[in-house]
Amino acid sequence: DGGITQSPKYLFRKEGQNVTLSCEQNLNHDAMYWYRQDPGQGLRLIYYSQIVNDFQKGDIAEGYSVSREKKESFPLTVTSAQKNPTAFYLCASSSGRVQETQYFGPGTRLLVL
Amino acid sequence: LAKTTQPISMDSYEGQEVNITCSHNNIATNDYITWYQQFPSQGPRFIIQGYKTKVTNEVASLFIPADRKSSTLSLPRVSLSDTAVYYCLVGDPLWTGANNLFFGTGTRLTVIP
Repeated sequence: DGGITQSPKYLFRKEGQNVTLSCEQNLNHDAMYWYRQDPGQGLRLIYYSQIVNDFQKGDIAEGYSVSREKKESFPLTVTSAQKNPTAFYLCASSSGRVQETQYFGPGTRLLVL
Repeated sequence: LAKTTQPISMDSYEGQEVNITCSHNNIATNDYITWYQQFPSQGPRFIIQGYKTKVTNEVASLFIPADRKSSTLSLPRVSLSDTAVYYCLVGDPLWTGANNLFFGTGTRLTVIP
């Protein structure tokens, strides 16, 4: 089945720890995105990537880092510099143009211990 | 930047038609209007997209007046499973960066039995 997967479903982070959220897609999409969603709020863009080895900061990139070494993978690292990381993280992909339909993964919920 | 304004919440009884309006006063000539649906703890799902006049698919209709400063998502005969948050996005189909990826807080629709 084609789709976009995220793992893990739940992730716990200790103070000062870096954690990495996985996002994989087999839709052959060029563009991938990371969003953060806080309770009762909309989605805010963290990073996006139009093509392999290229990515751009979104509205709230501070405290996060990404890489795009392969077309199908776009991992997000939540660094210790992100002081309030508790949120629902969503990964999406699209064929390339920003107004093309974005397909979202099931999300990862990050909690701080 | 064509940001959007939507009602925070709406209630409707089962079987009724629901219309959700989105204001986008600063919409640009090349911008398209896209609606997504999100259930709790899931990623958003594409519903419909349009540029002008009316677009209809198997789940919804999208009405866009001539001035394109607003749009209305119409859901015919809603059921309990339509309870979700609905987001309106406005953006240029040509890639112009993260400015087009603004989900806002959306409209929380509650369908009542």
